[in-house]
This record gives sequence, structure tokens and C-alpha cells, in this order.
Amino acid sequence: AQTVTQSQPEMSVQEAETVTLSCTYDTSENNYYLFWYKQPPSRQMILVIRQEAYKQQNATENRFSVNFQKAAKSFSLKISDSQLGDTAMYFCAFIKIQGAQKLVFGQGTRLTINP
Amino acid sequence: DSGVTQTPKHLITATGQRVTLRCSPRSGDLSVYWYQQSLDQGLQFLIQYYNGEERAKGNILERFSAQQFPDLHSELNLSSLELGDSALYFCASRKNTGELFFGEGSRLTVL
Repeated sequence: AQTVTQSQPEMSVQEAETVTLSCTYDTSENNYYLFWYKQPPSRQMILVIRQEAYKQQNATENRFSVNFQKAAKSFSLKISDSQLGDTAMYFCAFIKIQGAQKLVFGQGTRLTINP
Repeated sequence: DSGVTQTPKHLITATGQRVTLRCSPRSGDLSVYWYQQSLDQGLQFLIQYYNGEERAKGNILERFSAQQFPDLHSELNLSSLELGDSALYFCASRKNTGELFFGEGSRLTVL
């Protein structure tokens, strides 16, 4: 079974700083997707960024980028020039491509951006 | 707007009752997922349907059941409700490139 671990329950940074959220996962699969989802106080689940395991190039979406290390099974999220609106719970998630395709979430990291 | 529609948005009911949560996936998506999120908790996978068939099952209680209809909408039925069933229930549909898009959730309060 796949597991996803986020070792930082909470983080706090000042506005405009860069912050990195950690995520590790365990799987025997070779083909899968990894995601970061954001859940602001409204509790809506919002997709932040997506990475295909077969791609070596790290995904980037504006101020959000990932550091994907397949051999180490690590998938960290970097937020540059953090903004107050980035305050949210962030969940790392894994889904395999073949077979039963349930999205497995980590426990989440609560990120607070301070003015 | 994710394109996934969930109703009702809020629901308050009493212990022992039964409720039905409804989900319409994004146009063209065949997979529907249901997740439960209790207060300050992570998301617990309940069940997945693909084109009307059950594909994966998580820690879904026997008191809970779900189905996906020919028009691809899905319903999650929760019966004999207990206080601990109070939670936010999310539906999501999966794009063919792997990512899930979530509805706004149905917030269930059991009194």
C-alpha cells in the first residue's frame, strides 16, 4: 500500500519569503502522479501543482515549484515570494496510474504567512 | 470553480437518521471519488466509482453506501448516523491526466 508522509505539521513565514514544504512517499509502483493541494480556511480543495513520475523535469506553476527526487521518494513544494493568500493547509498526494487509483493524502502542513 | 457540483452544501440532522449526498462530476470525467474530512483531520478515502462500477474501496463504514448512476452522477448514502459522522464530505472527479478536482464539499452536522 502507498503511504504519504508530511513531517511538518505547521510552518510559519513572513510575507515575501520563500518556504519549502516536505513530503515523502512510499510505493513499489514505477508510474504514478504526485500532487500538492491547498485547503484555505474556506476548506475548498484546490490543486496547486502536478508531477508525473516519468518526467525528470520538476513542475513549476508561477510561484510554486517542486523538487521531485524519485529515487529518494521525495516531493517537496517551494513557494516563492509568499503572499498572505497562501495561508492554508497543504496536502501532498499520490495516485498510481495502474490498478485501483485512489488518491492517497499526507497528513497536511498548516502554513501561515505573516504580514 | 472546479466543475464538480455537490449538494447539499450544509446538512444538519439527528442521530439515527439517514442522509443522501449528491455529486455531479466534471463534464467528461468518468471517475468519482468520495472522501471524508473530520474537523482538523486529513482526508480519508471512502470509495471510487468509474463509469458506474465500484473500483476502489477505503475505510467506508457498513452504514455508508454509494453508487454511480448512468448519467455519471453519484450519491453517498449515510445511515444510522452517529455524532462521529459529523464531517465534511468531498466528492471529486478525475481527469484522464490523473488529477482530481474537488467539489466544495457537503458539511454534515449530526446532533
